[in-house]
Amino acid sequence: NAGVMQNPRHLVRRRGQEARLRCSPMKGHSHVYWYRQLPEEGLKFMVYLQKENIIDESGMPKERFSAEFPKEGPSILRIQQVVRGDSAAYFCASSPRSDHNNSPLHFGNGTRLTVT
Amino acid sequence: QKEVEQNSGPLSVPEGAIASLNCTYSDRGSQSFFWYRQYSGKSPELIMFIYSNGDKEDGRFTAQLNKASQYVSLLIRDSQPSDSATYLCAVKWEDSNYQLIWGAGTKLIIKP
Repeated sequence: NAGVMQNPRHLVRRRGQEARLRCSPMKGHSHVYWYRQLPEEGLKFMVYLQKENIIDESGMPKERFSAEFPKEGPSILRIQQVVRGDSAAYFCASSPRSDHNNSPLHFGNGTRLTVT
Repeated sequence: QKEVEQNSGPLSVPEGAIASLNCTYSDRGSQSFFWYRQYSGKSPELIMFIYSNGDKEDGRFTAQLNKASQYVSLLIRDSQPSDSATYLCAVKWEDSNYQLIWGAGTKLIIKP
């Protein structure tokens, strides 16, 4: 049973370009979460999605950032017109249910975005 | 404001000793507590979770929860060099099924 798959592992973008980060959840998991991690800091919640629905995007900047989890295919986190401050590790996690008490998160290996 | 605090370390412990990692949180409405281990450049992986006051043991790991004092700790017995990593504490509050608030992590170094 494959784990959570994220790609690319490393992504370099120039300021102003678009970054697209992909996440395929574990088989049987329909709940996907995106987190951002800066060096020496904890994980910051960005967005929670179920298939075709955004449940909670309260942690995501309202401008330039968007996320989707289509019926078919991986979840996508899109960052438009990237700036240097967007440089971070972006982790995707999945779970079979929303209740973390009974279904803890499984994380992918992350995408490390560097904006030059 | 919900906050989770951890000493960033590094915490240096000799091989074979007990490593003690602490985490404090800000609000009494908390419900569940999770310890994750993260190796450098890798993803967090779940070690243990605890809901009730007291101790919960799993192999060399023991989680200790004290809700009155608002802290949760992780003890690692017989520390091994492979335990060297950053340990992240995460707290889930009662008002959400899925929102976790994360500490910044404690870097643990086990010296052979």
